[in-house]
Amino acid sequence: QSALTQPASVSGSPGQSITISCTGSSSDVGGFNSVSWYQQHPGKAPKLLIFEVTKRPSGVSNRFSGSKSGNTASLTISGLQAEDEADYYCISHTRSTTPVVFGGGTKLTVL
Amino acid sequence: QVRLQESGPGLVKPSETLSLTCTVSGGSISNLYWSWIRQSPGKGLEWIAYMSYGGSTSYNPSLKSRVTIPVDTSKNQFSLKLNSVTAADTAVYYCARGPNFWSGYEFDYWGQGTLVTVSS
Repeated sequence: QSALTQPASVSGSPGQSITISCTGSSSDVGGFNSVSWYQQHPGKAPKLLIFEVTKRPSGVSNRFSGSKSGNTASLTISGLQAEDEADYYCISHTRSTTPVVFGGGTKLTVL
Repeated sequence: QVRLQESGPGLVKPSETLSLTCTVSGGSISNLYWSWIRQSPGKGLEWIAYMSYGGSTSYNPSLKSRVTIPVDTSKNQFSLKLNSVTAADTAVYYCARGPNFWSGYEFDYWGQGTLVTVSS
C-alpha cells in the first residue's frame, strides 16, 4: 500500500495529452513543493522528469510538465509519442519518519 | 553523466545477510547523498536508507535494526547490508543519488536495479 495514490493505468493516442495524478495529504504533497516524477521503461533505471513540482532537469523534453493543487500533484505529457509508453512514479518529501514517500506507479499505454 | 550500477548475489537464503554494492561513475560519492531503494510487488517502492560521505546516515525505521551502509571511497562505492532476511525482503534493489535536500528531495540518478530473491 503506497502512501501516495496514482491511477494504475492511463492511455492515450499519439499526439494527445494525458495527465497522471498523485494524491497525498497535507503532510506530504500538500505541505511541500517537493514532488518529483520519474519515468521507467521495463528493465531500465528510473529517469527523473520533474522535480520541485514543476522544474525539468536539463535534457528532459518540454512535453513533460508538472503542477500541484492542494494535496494532488499532476504530471502532464503532451504530444504523446510511442516512446512515452512506460511506468511513471511520483515521490514527495514528507513529515513522516522517512524523508520521502512514493506513489504506486502508473502504467502509460500509447494506443 | 553520473552512472550507478548495482551488483551482488541474486539469491539469498532466509536468515542470512543480503549484500549489494553500488559502483558510481561520472561523479564522486564524496558529494551529496546516496540512497538504497527497493521495489517489491506487494509493497511498491520503499526507501531503505541514505548516506553521505560526511558521515550522515538515515534509515527507514522499519528496517533500521537490520541495515548498514558501508562506504568505500577509494572505489567510489557504497554498499547495502541487510541481515536476517526473509521472503518479505525479496525485491528489486536500486541505488540512487539523493535525496537532494537543497532542492526538492529528488533522486536524480538511479541504477538499473538488481533482483534479489530470498529463498532456501
